[in-house]
Amino acid sequence: DVKVTQSSRYLVKRTGEKVFLECVQDMDHENMFWYRQDPGLGLRLIYFSYDVKMKEKGDIPEGYSVSREKKERFSLILESASTNQTSMYLCASSPPPTSGHSYEQYFGPGTRLTVT
Amino acid sequence: AQSVSQHNHHVILSEAASLELGCNYSYGGTVNLFWYVQYPGQHLQLLLKYFSGDPLVKGIKGFEAEFIKSKFSFNLRKPSVQWSDTAEYFCAVNAGAGNMLTFGGGTRLMVKP
Repeated sequence: DVKVTQSSRYLVKRTGEKVFLECVQDMDHENMFWYRQDPGLGLRLIYFSYDVKMKEKGDIPEGYSVSREKKERFSLILESASTNQTSMYLCASSPPPTSGHSYEQYFGPGTRLTVT
Repeated sequence: AQSVSQHNHHVILSEAASLELGCNYSYGGTVNLFWYVQYPGQHLQLLLKYFSGDPLVKGIKGFEAEFIKSKFSFNLRKPSVQWSDTAEYFCAVNAGAGNMLTFGGGTRLMVKP
């Protein structure tokens, strides 16, 4: 089974703090994603990465950055946390298109971040 | 940009009632379609998917979905819901933009025992 883990289930940070959210997958997937989940808005893509050191902006990248130094690890960084970044953050990974499971994403348990 | 609409935000049903959750998308080309489910306190997991072939797709736990290309729809159905189906359901579409999925806003289903 694919396993995607996230460093924290719950996190409380103060406005202006730098926040790191870590995600690790154990299936050697090329593609990794960061979403935020808000009630009524579903999942919105923040950033994704299709290879080590590669990153692409998603639909709502403002206020966020990412890092992918190793294939299995994808980090989301909030340079200066703000209250409107209070949300559930979900990490996902997906295998290459040739695997037969193309486009299917596997999700971690999420990190509920509260910025006060 | 493509979009995915789930028109029912909250659905409340009694056990044994039939379920249909709507999903419409805006992209006109080839699509890959998914339904994900998030049970309370758990991570999102795949319920079913459509890539090609038979437009009626069967998934886990008795769920099925029908792809109707002419209506740009991929509605989720279950003939008889159980209390354990209480969850939030998300429709998602891949429309050729790499491996990205576009998600709908989600539908919260509550099944009363």
